[in-house]
Amino acid sequence: GQQVMQIPQYQHVQEGEDFTTYCNSSTTLSNIQWYKQRPGGHPVFLIQLVKSGEVKKQKRLTFQFGEAKKNSSLHITATQTTDVGTYFCAGREGTSYGKLTFGQGTILTVHP
Amino acid sequence: NAGVTQTPKFQVLKTGQSMTLQCAQDMNHEYMSWYRQDPGMGLRLIHYSVGAGITDQGEVPNGYNVSRSTTEDFPLRLLSAAPSQTSVYFCASSYSLAGIYEQYFGPGTRLTVT
Repeated sequence: GQQVMQIPQYQHVQEGEDFTTYCNSSTTLSNIQWYKQRPGGHPVFLIQLVKSGEVKKQKRLTFQFGEAKKNSSLHITATQTTDVGTYFCAGREGTSYGKLTFGQGTILTVHP
Repeated sequence: NAGVTQTPKFQVLKTGQSMTLQCAQDMNHEYMSWYRQDPGMGLRLIHYSVGAGITDQGEVPNGYNVSRSTTEDFPLRLLSAAPSQTSVYFCASSYSLAGIYEQYFGPGTRLTVT
């Protein structure tokens, strides 16, 4: 079945440093989503990427979808303590709703 | 709007007991899903529904049943609880807007099976 691998599992940064998490799928994806989960909270949708090579920005966050639609990345510029949490990618193979496969997540710690 | 609500927040079961985790949404979303979250494993899809009366299995459906009699409610039933089902369970609802299925998650139910 489809597998989505996400690295690194943990990342500790000093406030102001950049952060990147990477997502790789064993199969070609139709789209990929990114979620953020604060400690003790629930996942919150950040973005969905659909097109090959797509790049989207949300303030300090930059999301990329690979040309082959099998990998993706999330980059945060100049991290802040509010960025603390777990970041998940989630890949979908078909175009219908079902069977979204999540990566294991990257736990980001930001030291002030 | 309350969004997605889940009850209970916490539950302790003994092995072999059954129970139902409740999930409700008031956003008239067509799609709903149940996930379990275990340390280091991300979220794994248990069952999902694309509308009232329509359900399908996800990645880890064994030991769980679902039904969707209304748009609003999507309960998850544990038939005979096992320690391996100790986890945090999240319900999510979604709609499609131009092919984007943004999921809204509930606060979760933390289940311990002893």
